Amino acid sequence: DADVTQTPRNRITKTGKRIMLECSQTKGHDRMYWYRQDPGLGLRLIYYSFDVKDINKGEISDGYSVSRQAQAKFSLSLESAIPNQTALYFCATSDSRTQNTEAFFGQGTRLTVV
Amino acid sequence: AQTVTQSQPEMSVQEAETVTLSCTYDTSESDYYLFWYKQPPSRQMILVIRQEAYKQQNATENRFSVNFQKAAKSFSLKISDSQLGDAAMYFCAYRRRTGNQFYFGTGTSLTVIP
Repeated sequence: DADVTQTPRNRITKTGKRIMLECSQTKGHDRMYWYRQDPGLGLRLIYYSFDVKDINKGEISDGYSVSRQAQAKFSLSLESAIPNQTALYFCATSDSRTQNTEAFFGQGTRLTVV
Repeated sequence: AQTVTQSQPEMSVQEAETVTLSCTYDTSESDYYLFWYKQPPSRQMILVIRQEAYKQQNATENRFSVNFQKAAKSFSLKISDSQLGDAAMYFCAYRRRTGNQFYFGTGTSLTVIP
């Protein structure tokens, strides 16, 4: 099983609908992130969290909200989806307490807003 | 703000040849980490190699090596003996040692020609 699991893997939704993307991890990491990937723009940070009581906005947080329900779970919501939110979304984790310095990624969620 | 620049949107290499992907970054920090991630068509983000800024020695992982030029803020990835499985999008990333965020470049799409 994957250490960082995202659901769903693919989703098509209509403009104006509310949608939630979920992420869970079994790595025991304290930090979790949501990134958005668009062609030619790379990965851009939407939100990040250091623990269940700490949520921070990234560079492109408008139109998104997050919830850290537990250390292992971090969900991303689009309150009213719009077509320019069509993108590949990644959840990632990292551990501030060890020498493992890189980010570990989920498999990504391909979201299409029509 | 930290920025990561990958100036080569696309590269190609003949199988068994060597290719170098470029990455530059902007930071006022002296202690940080740099990464190269590979994203194959499966879209999974896979760590290829990591470099710690305080280490002068260039990191190497099998056929993958980096040329880290701290003063020039340059971090290129060399792939030797290219294989068909190396075809992917490659992302350069930066993280300040005491920082919380990972900053990604826009990616380089590598094609391996049989």
